[in-house]
Amino acid sequence: LAKTTQPISMDSYEGQEVNITCSHNNIATNDYITWYQQFPSQGPRFIIQGYKTKVTNEVASLFIPADRKSSTLSLPRVSLSDTAVYYCLVASAGYSSASKIIFGSGTRLSIRP
Amino acid sequence: SAVISQKPSRDICQRGTSLTIQCQVDSQVTMMFWYRQQPGQSLTLIATANQGSEATYESGFVIDKFPISRPNLTFSTLTVSNMSPEDSSIYLCSVDGGETQYFGPGTRLLVL
Repeated sequence: LAKTTQPISMDSYEGQEVNITCSHNNIATNDYITWYQQFPSQGPRFIIQGYKTKVTNEVASLFIPADRKSSTLSLPRVSLSDTAVYYCLVASAGYSSASKIIFGSGTRLSIRP
Repeated sequence: SAVISQKPSRDICQRGTSLTIQCQVDSQVTMMFWYRQQPGQSLTLIATANQGSEATYESGFVIDKFPISRPNLTFSTLTVSNMSPEDSSIYLCSVDGGETQYFGPGTRLLVL
């Protein structure tokens, strides 16, 4: 089972770039890396997913080194509304019943003016 | 994407009673999941529910305590049985969206 490890909390300021790193030393060959964002009183929301190298979408970038034992979520020019908990998740694509879906402890990101 | 609703959004219950949480999806999905999120904690998968088959429970969760129904491809229920204060949590359902999961807003349960 690919357990993930993330920093418990991070602080930054508006307009800065924030990088959150997740360790997943036991990642399996068919596992994908997915990041979610969760606001209070809401369910997690998908941010980005990748398998290797770099993935970019309209809200974030995901950097995955060749050994895939870690990944870094990059949020460009954060705003106050990016204050949330960010979860790194490693699981097999398709979330088959045989795969274990394990959320990490999450990183509580606080953005200040 | 899928839009998911849950009922109730929150409830306060007495110990020893049971609560059934409903999860409705706006499209047909094969796999649905139920999670528990205790205050200030991460999400823990309770079970996977496929339509037409028995739910698959994760270690530490049993059917007698958390019976699940999956009568069709858009609906599921989770019952929290014989509740104790330790069951106070947020319960979330999610669906398999292919490359990701889509989550409902959660049901906030307080057991007194």
